[in-house]
Amino acid sequence: NAGVTQTPKFQVLKTGQSMTLQCAQDMNHEYMSWYRQDPGMGLRLIHYSVGAGITDQGEVPNGYNVSRSTTEDFPLRLLSAAPSQTSVYFCASTPGQGNRETQYFGPGTRLLVL
Amino acid sequence: GESVGLHLPTLSVQEGDNSIINCAYSNSASDYFIWYKQESGKGPQFIIDIRSNMDKRQGQRVTVLLNKTVKHLSLQIAATQPGDSAVYFCAETEDSSYKLIFGSGTRLLVRP
Repeated sequence: NAGVTQTPKFQVLKTGQSMTLQCAQDMNHEYMSWYRQDPGMGLRLIHYSVGAGITDQGEVPNGYNVSRSTTEDFPLRLLSAAPSQTSVYFCASTPGQGNRETQYFGPGTRLLVL
Repeated sequence: GESVGLHLPTLSVQEGDNSIINCAYSNSASDYFIWYKQESGKGPQFIIDIRSNMDKRQGQRVTVLLNKTVKHLSLQIAATQPGDSAVYFCAETEDSSYKLIFGSGTRLLVRP
């Protein structure tokens, strides 16, 4: 298994541009989530999904959209990038009911918005 | 790799010594707690977890202590090694939720 993969690793955007951060897992995990990590802070939850077709907001959802059309993929969309969205983004997955212990994180995407 | 945290509290220990990293959590309803290790340029990696019906749990070279009275969590690393150098985060969640709330992290530096 490749685990949780994220693309791209690095991205530079101009203010107002849109882009999609990709996240995929090949472990058939039900639960997937997106976090952002800013300097001096821990990870903050953006959006999460408990299964295909189901998404919900986390702690800091504004400016981001997600969808979960398949179990494997959970893309994060920035519709109009802002400098405040400069951060490192992590995707994570976990098997689901009764298996909260195992949360796998991807390697991260570093985003710079100019 | 990227800078995980420019202003993180830092714990510096001598190789071979024991390390204790502390965390204060915020939600009295949280019943599940996890410690993560994050090395530069990588995502967080699970170390050990503990449920609220326990006050101590041991793993390989690591022990987590939970004090619900004062909402405090600690991670003890025995015989700290250079490979333990990283940023350590605690995270909390409630029973029915997968939503992890992370602490701000502590940087552990191991001196040879």
